[in-house]
Amino acid sequence: DTEVTQTPKHLVMGMTNKKSLKCEQHMGHRAMYWYKQKAKKPPELMFVYSYEKLSINESVPSRFSPECPNSSLLNLHLHALQPEDSALYLCASSQDEGRGYQPQHFGDGTRLSIL
Amino acid sequence: DAKTTQPPSMDCAEGRAANLPCNHSTISGNEYVYWYRQIHSQGPQYIIHGLKNNETNEMASLIITEDRKSSTLILPHATLRDTAVYYCIVKGYNFNKFYFGSGTKLNVKP
Repeated sequence: DTEVTQTPKHLVMGMTNKKSLKCEQHMGHRAMYWYKQKAKKPPELMFVYSYEKLSINESVPSRFSPECPNSSLLNLHLHALQPEDSALYLCASSQDEGRGYQPQHFGDGTRLSIL
Repeated sequence: DAKTTQPPSMDCAEGRAANLPCNHSTISGNEYVYWYRQIHSQGPQYIIHGLKNNETNEMASLIITEDRKSSTLILPHATLRDTAVYYCIVKGYNFNKFYFGSGTKLNVKP
């Protein structure tokens, strides 16, 4: 069982829709991450939040908008996505903001399909 | 961060030890080696990490060569449930990013 919870597990949306992905952890971790994983490829980092502030954006298109309302919650707001954005979206958290060697813990992801 | 190189796939008989190699020849002194696995349709699962000494936990052992340019993850008694993609990652102290390599698909066969 994962300690990082992602909802929904599956999401199908049209290119004009607006939807949000949610990630929650209660381990007291202060760093949270979004990754994108295409089929048969490794996860790719999208965003990093450290102490609820965006610290890294890996040149992600603006149709993806992250939000960290508090230290336990991370959202990814989606708008006007393209079919190539269909992928598994993974959330992770770690104890520190990057200084240290604590591992990241991953949720099981949201599988997103864009029609 | 150093890049890693892993074989794309390996087979292992159930009950035997699975030895998964990883090359990280450009690793620097403050970079740790991490191992994760991803079972189909699940998120990556943390297995173990280490700096230069060998490490062991309830899941696996990590052997890092003295020059730190390569490492081996050992699953002592592989089961069918260990079939997964195994990722070797290196990360430094002041760095937030995990860069996943292509990983090794381990097939455990009965």
